[in-house]
Amino acid sequence: DVKVTQSSRYLVKRTGEKVFLECVQDMDHENMFWYRQDPGLGLRLIYFSYDVKMKEKGDIPEGYSVSREKKERFSLILESASTNQTSMYLCASSEDGGRNTQYFGPGTRLTVL
Amino acid sequence: QKEVEQDPGPLSVPEGAIVSLNCTYSNSAFQYFMWYRQYSRKGPELLMYTYSSGNKEDGRFTAQVDKSSKYISLFIRDSQPSDSATYLCAMSGGTSYGKLTFGQGTILTVHP
Repeated sequence: DVKVTQSSRYLVKRTGEKVFLECVQDMDHENMFWYRQDPGLGLRLIYFSYDVKMKEKGDIPEGYSVSREKKERFSLILESASTNQTSMYLCASSEDGGRNTQYFGPGTRLTVL
Repeated sequence: QKEVEQDPGPLSVPEGAIVSLNCTYSNSAFQYFMWYRQYSRKGPELLMYTYSSGNKEDGRFTAQVDKSSKYISLFIRDSQPSDSATYLCAMSGGTSYGKLTFGQGTILTVHP
């Protein structure tokens, strides 16, 4: 079974803090994704990566950056957290080519005060 | 107009009912179609996968794809309270790096 893990289930940070969200997958998948999920807005893609050290902007990259130093690990960084970044953050991975099925982690519920 | 439209509901049905969830889409390049189930405060989990047009059955769940109408459906037979969740449709095709386009999700409640 594919396993995608995220570093925290719940996180509370203050405005202006630098926040790191980590995601690890154990299936040697090439592609990894970061989404945020908000009521009424669905899943929105922040960044994705198709290889180590490669990254591509998704639909809402502003205020975020990412890092992929190892194939299994994809980090999302909030350089200076703001209250409008309070959300559920979901990481996913998929293998290259074919059906593009993504496997999700359990999510991190981030609250920025 | 969104690339994928999904009625957000909420949908409330009695236990044992047949549930029909639907998505319409506009991109004719889509050829891979998925349904995810997401329980409250959890990540989405893959429920069904279909390639191109046709039907696929897995236990109480049936996924249908009609590419000519750009319409996909998920049917749940003999619905159970444990089916209460948000159901997301997702699709891809003609894009790179495995990106998926998701519907907004339909909130389903099955009451005993």
